[in-house]
Amino acid sequence: DAKTTQPPSMDCAEGRAANLPCNHSTISGNEYVYWYRQIHSQGPQYIIHGLKNNETNEMASLIITEDRKSSTLILPHATLRDTAVYYCIVRLETSGSRLTFGEGTQLTVNP
Amino acid sequence: GAVVSQHPSRVICKSGTSVKIECRSLDFQATTMFWYRQFPKKSLMLMATSNEGSKATYEQGVEKDKFLINHASLTLSTLTVTSAHPEDSSFYICSAAGQLNQPQHFGDGTRLSIL
Repeated sequence: DAKTTQPPSMDCAEGRAANLPCNHSTISGNEYVYWYRQIHSQGPQYIIHGLKNNETNEMASLIITEDRKSSTLILPHATLRDTAVYYCIVRLETSGSRLTFGEGTQLTVNP
Repeated sequence: GAVVSQHPSRVICKSGTSVKIECRSLDFQATTMFWYRQFPKKSLMLMATSNEGSKATYEQGVEKDKFLINHASLTLSTLTVTSAHPEDSSFYICSAAGQLNQPQHFGDGTRLSIL
């Protein structure tokens, strides 16, 4: 699986948009970009994933650059409960393919 | 959304005890389940991949006789930490994958403390 690079930490004010970047310059054509988050002492929570096009769901938006070498996860109105470690992962889209976790970004939402 | 239940959430036991952790997919059939381990302030490390009805595939450095995995049905996988010692204390997390193009979903983890 392609390696990803994320900033180790970010801060965001409550109510503002949180934009979390991820570089995946060695991504291959059949690898998807996945985002998960882990709140302290819980299992990771799936947020969103995409291949080429931008994606949006009730939790977040995912913006993937045209060359697919980087992406940004956007939480449009961050709340204190969004404080977590956010993981950007690329993986092949097969049912048995693994998720390889990097160090992620610790997002802290401040009041 | 998809739910994965992991039990127990916390275990404290004496050295030498074997501990079994269950992982269940509650509303979908999981052809593949994964077991991870996480140390404090570290990321998740994949231990093994289990497919229903077949032997688990272990990552390099993970002792298969120490960490026994059984995936007997499409909704249940178990991890047994045999003869646990203090160095086995960790946060163990399972995930389950169903159909193609569906994301993996994770349990809430089991915090294992060996005294």
